[in-house]
Amino acid sequence: ILNVEQSPQSLHVQEGDSTNFTCSFPSSNFYALHWYRWETAKSPEALFVMTLNGDEKKKGRISATLNTKEGYSYLYIKGSQPEDSATYLCASYTGNQFYFGTGTSLTVIP
Amino acid sequence: EPEVTQTPSHQVTQMGQEVILRCVPISNHLYFYWYRQILGQKVEFLVSFYNNEISEKSEIFDDQFSVERPDGSNFTLKIRSTKLEDSAMYFCASSERDRVGTEAFFGQGTRLTVV
Repeated sequence: ILNVEQSPQSLHVQEGDSTNFTCSFPSSNFYALHWYRWETAKSPEALFVMTLNGDEKKKGRISATLNTKEGYSYLYIKGSQPEDSATYLCASYTGNQFYFGTGTSLTVIP
Repeated sequence: EPEVTQTPSHQVTQMGQEVILRCVPISNHLYFYWYRQILGQKVEFLVSFYNNEISEKSEIFDDQFSVERPDGSNFTLKIRSTKLEDSAMYFCASSERDRVGTEAFFGQGTRLTVV
């Protein structure tokens, strides 16, 4: 069983602030790191799939980086908006299954 | 946009009863998964399925659980004799192929409540 950790567990930021959170995972048996955005009462929505050390991905105001040697990924949100409020889940993919973190719950206060 | 659909959205069942949770994966996807999330806990892997057989299962997926792809479109999870601790959100996911960089698409989940 892989232990994937996310921090912080929850975060409240003001609209317009930039924020970031962390996903750490075992660097052995690593195939890919997935980030999902999960709004209440909806299904998790894939944000990024990252595979290579040093990968950086960007989608609008959201970006992510990956360090496979030390086993962490950062997710950044620039200029947070209320619609960014959601739980952000990371998952380490080992080739057979996904191991999920507990998620970071982000609330953006207007 | 193609999506994974799950039914029912909420099921309440008595302890000891059998339940079947249904999922319709995206049509050209070949790999299927069931996950669950007990309230306040992590999303946990249950089982993966490919080519009409289980490819991997977790310790949670004991003899009370089974999966089936009965007709080429549905992917079902059966719990034979439900326990109180089976109460959770159950998520189905599918992916196009089982390779690095392939994302999984999740359904909206079935909330199972065992009373």
